[in-house]
Amino acid sequence: GAGVSQSPRYKVAKRGQDVALRCDPISGHVSLFWYQQALGQGPEFLTYFQNEAQLDKSGLPSDRFFAERPEGSVSTLKIQRTQQEDSAVYLCASSLVAGSSYNEQFFGPGTRLTVL
Amino acid sequence: DQQVKQNSPSLSVQEGRISILNCDYTNSMFDYFLWYKKYPAEGPTFLISISSIKDKNEDGRFTVFLNKSAKHLSLHIVPSQPGDSAVYFCAAKQFRTGANNLFFGTGTRLTVIP
Repeated sequence: GAGVSQSPRYKVAKRGQDVALRCDPISGHVSLFWYQQALGQGPEFLTYFQNEAQLDKSGLPSDRFFAERPEGSVSTLKIQRTQQEDSAVYLCASSLVAGSSYNEQFFGPGTRLTVL
Repeated sequence: DQQVKQNSPSLSVQEGRISILNCDYTNSMFDYFLWYKKYPAEGPTFLISISSIKDKNEDGRFTVFLNKSAKHLSLHIVPSQPGDSAVYFCAAKQFRTGANNLFFGTGTRLTVIP
């Protein structure tokens, strides 16, 4: 399909384990976003890429969270030494161009992370 | 600090009637507003948007109203259909400042009863 894909769809980790979540954006989309959605909440912004450049990481909750997009396409969100409060759905979104207000973000289905 | 608020966690409406979902925001720098619809196990999908230079935007059965002085927007769905049953998120962004990320509300679960 031509939509945003994420893998894995579900991840169970033991506390202290490192995890890596993958996002494949829509081909040709310049902008890529990561959001965290806790249970019963709306998505909260984590970080933003324009091509390979990480232009905003103000939403990353701690230095245990790291994101990269080395070739300006696929992105990986890595969480080191996972904690129970990291349990959430992690959503990736992409959009065609940067900066325009008339610029829809297309979301993937998310990765549900459960930390035991 | 929740900058976008949806105070009704759920709403039930009879098929064919109007659904009205409400959203309030606190940040006066927001100048673009969106509604997203989310089905279980799927990501949010864009539904309709409105710029702060307008007070109404209509797309088929969906209309969004913006009241800047009250910092309030609403989504009207008429007539409501069972397939509209989903969680609806209100979102906002600051286009003029160059920020790209969206600020979301906590969502309203709409159930349309056949």
